[in-house]
Order: sequence, then structure tokens, then C-alpha cells
Amino acid sequence: DAGVIQSPRHEVTEMGQEVTLRCKPISGHNSLFWYRQTMMRGLELLIYFNNNVPIDDSGMPEDRFSAKMPNASFSTLKIQPSEPRDSAVYFCASSLGGLDQPQHFGDGTRLSIL
Amino acid sequence: GQQLNQSPQSMFIQEGEDVSMNCTSSSIFNTWLWYKQDPGEGPVLLIALYKAGELTSNGRLTAQFGITRKDSFLNISASIPSDVGIYFCAGQVAGANSKLTFGKGITLSVRP
Repeated sequence: DAGVIQSPRHEVTEMGQEVTLRCKPISGHNSLFWYRQTMMRGLELLIYFNNNVPIDDSGMPEDRFSAKMPNASFSTLKIQPSEPRDSAVYFCASSLGGLDQPQHFGDGTRLSIL
Repeated sequence: GQQLNQSPQSMFIQEGEDVSMNCTSSSIFNTWLWYKQDPGEGPVLLIALYKAGELTSNGRLTAQFGITRKDSFLNISASIPSDVGIYFCAGQVAGANSKLTFGKGITLSVRP
């Protein structure tokens, strides 16, 4: 069975550029989560969706970050404009049900902002 | 907010040894999860615990939900080289909109 699929796997870009990360959740899962992982802060939840609706975006660092889920099989996380401190690994996860169900993670996008 | 403490940051063991990892919290949790992350990959769920005192096994892995609901431990028996990776605990307090809180993880190295 296909797991959570993220693209690209790696992204290197210059500061100020727009970055778009993509995620396809596991088919049938109705909750989707975006996380950021850094050495300093570990795994941080940025935003999560339930049935395509954003439920809690309190983890989004600032207005430069935005996320959408136009349908049940696709979500994007956008950073505009990007800054070097945004460099991290960004994970997407999905679950069947709400926050209390185990989350299945994709392999992440390693983002480097120069 | 809730914080989960995992220490030490790194553990080094010999192949064949057992190892135990602990995770503690200042808050009471209703759910404890243990994940393993291999280099270049996302965390993979190992064991989920939903009740205080619950002891659950998954092959050579055993995890327990502490009676106080403020801690959990993960045991790996007869370690093998592929056990190398970062082990994260994660916890969730009660409530439909309660987020999962992750520990910083423990990096396990297994010497052959």
C-alpha cells in the first residue's frame, strides 16, 4: 500500500524565493498534518486538517507560511518569501480519524534556503 | 504547553544487548506513542498505548504506559544492527483537539 507521499524530497533555493511543498496522504485518511523538524526544536506541528478543513494553524511560524488542502488527496505547504531560518525537514503525516489516531509520516522534504 | 523529556540524547549498545528508553512528562497523557526514524526517512510508528498500565509488544519491542500517566518506556531486546535510529516518544492529553507532543528523540547506536 502506498504511504504518505511527499515531493520534492530535497529543495535548495535562495532566500526570498517561493517554496511549495506537496503531500499526498494515505488514501482514505481524513486528517493531514504538516510538521517541521530541526535539531534545535525537534518535531513541531505546524498545521493540521480534518476533512480538508484547517483545524489548528497555531504552529505556523508566521504569515510567510500558508497551507492548503483543496481535496482529500492533496495538500501544499507554501513559504513566501523563504528565509535561511526556514531550512529544516518538513514532514507530512496522515491519520484515519482525528488527532487521537496514530499518524503515518511521509519521508519528508529536506529544505535548504541559502 | 506540554513537554516530553527523553534522555540521554544518545545511547551506544553492543549487538545482542537489551536497551530501555524512558520518556517523562510534566502533564498527564491519555495516549503514548513510540516512533522510530531512520536517516532520510520519516518517523514510523512502533507501538501505541491507550491505557495506564498497558504493556504492549511488537516483536522484540515492548512498551508500557506508566501508571501515573506521566511516563512511558520502550524496551528493545536482543538488539540487532538495524535497530539503529532515532526513537521518539509522543504523547497526547485528553481532548478531541489535543495535539501530539513529541520528545526530542534518542539516537541509538548498535555496535556489531
